[in-house]
Amino acid sequence: SQQGEEDPQALSIQEGENATMNCSYKTSINNLQWYRQNSGRGLVHLILIRSNEREKHSGRLRVTLDTSKKSSSLLITASRAADTASYFCATNPPSGNTPLVFGKGTRLSVIA
Amino acid sequence: EAQVTQNPRYLITVTGKKLTVTCSQNMNHEYMSWYRQDPGLGLRQIYYSMNVEVTDKGDVPEGYKVSRKEKRNFPLILESPSPNQTSLYFCASMFHGYNEQFFGPGTRLTVL
Repeated sequence: SQQGEEDPQALSIQEGENATMNCSYKTSINNLQWYRQNSGRGLVHLILIRSNEREKHSGRLRVTLDTSKKSSSLLITASRAADTASYFCATNPPSGNTPLVFGKGTRLSVIA
Repeated sequence: EAQVTQNPRYLITVTGKKLTVTCSQNMNHEYMSWYRQDPGLGLRQIYYSMNVEVTDKGDVPEGYKVSRKEKRNFPLILESPSPNQTSLYFCASMFHGYNEQFFGPGTRLTVL
């Protein structure tokens, strides 16, 4: 069962602009993760944020988590053409026995 | 190099002809999983394994079998493939707990 829902489904921006993607989920989580997928290839882990964290940074990535609203956002600053990909959020429930549940993804296009 | 490998990468087959997609990881991960990815549906989990000889159904297990006889391998078996199993398949692995998943490069399967 899919829990994460990314928004928007597709996003097109100019190189140098910031890109923001949102993820909403339904049940309690232990952590939330963001993955990137270049067309037709395997997913690559970007960043993990735990339920007791509110914000996390990694290079040009900034992730926020609001557990009261059951939502997260991924911000990519100063985007590059190479950031063109699909981005997925995935949630890990508190039990630890149920594996990651992925959303359907946001397709980001960065135009040079 | 730490990686998840899948074989074959591309496969075209006919309805009813049994096939196996292999998955192997060299990171000593306990957890392994199979997903299928279809346009508009995102990633859906087929089966997962918490450790050797322990497997569980994911969201879409019908028509698939798996086995986990060794820690490093987690083959996906389609006993009698049908056209609705045409999809892009990913194997993934991770350490137990709440860490990131490592994905293989994908297997594009077409069932005629």
